[in-house]
Amino acid sequence: GAGVSQSPSNKVTEKGKDVELRCDPISGHTALYWYRQRLGQGLEFLIYFQGNSAPDKSGLPSDRFSAERTGESVSTLTIQRTQQEDSAVYLCASSPGTGYTEAFFGQGTRLTVV
Amino acid sequence: DQQVKQNSPSLSVQEGRISILNCDYTNSMFDYFLWYKKYPAEGPTFLISISSIKDKNEDGRFTVFLNKSAKHLSLHIVPSQPGDSAVYFCAARASGNTGKLIFGQGTTLQVKP
Repeated sequence: GAGVSQSPSNKVTEKGKDVELRCDPISGHTALYWYRQRLGQGLEFLIYFQGNSAPDKSGLPSDRFSAERTGESVSTLTIQRTQQEDSAVYLCASSPGTGYTEAFFGQGTRLTVV
Repeated sequence: DQQVKQNSPSLSVQEGRISILNCDYTNSMFDYFLWYKKYPAEGPTFLISISSIKDKNEDGRFTVFLNKSAKHLSLHIVPSQPGDSAVYFCAARASGNTGKLIFGQGTTLQVKP
């Protein structure tokens, strides 16, 4: 695709429900990243994929968070039993490879937990 | 611990003048530094980067300066334009070559016509 695409763009969910956020990276990009931006804060690293494997999951806040990537393409970030503190913009980025310094971001998914 | 810090939440400058955005870091193992610009409801877009082996990189109106001894970098925009109004994030690439970026909190720049 022309750019990184994320869906949905907005999601409102009730506390305790599970949500899935989707990321379609730029075609051919082997590296994929998930970040989170809470209100008034910087971008917080969550997880990094190289191909379909995730060598760095160090940023996942709790075991309620998980992510997978299939076909070296689409990635899904799942948040189980959502809490109000999970409310944030979730951003996905991709790059051609790990040696590449610049990452290309999607527009983000704004998640609101009520 | 905040490894990358942008201590000024906001900056306002007049059109045509210079904008200087600052960033401090604590980890001497960072090997690349980047600036991203973010408009509301959009993802961050890459602006300019600098390797840790350089002290200056210039691209049109944008120049990034790196002072390794002070662990400080700055982004200069000259002349500033109203379209430059956005949130600017400083980011550093973590060691290990994974491409993982550590971001600052961002500085909101307003350029007044």
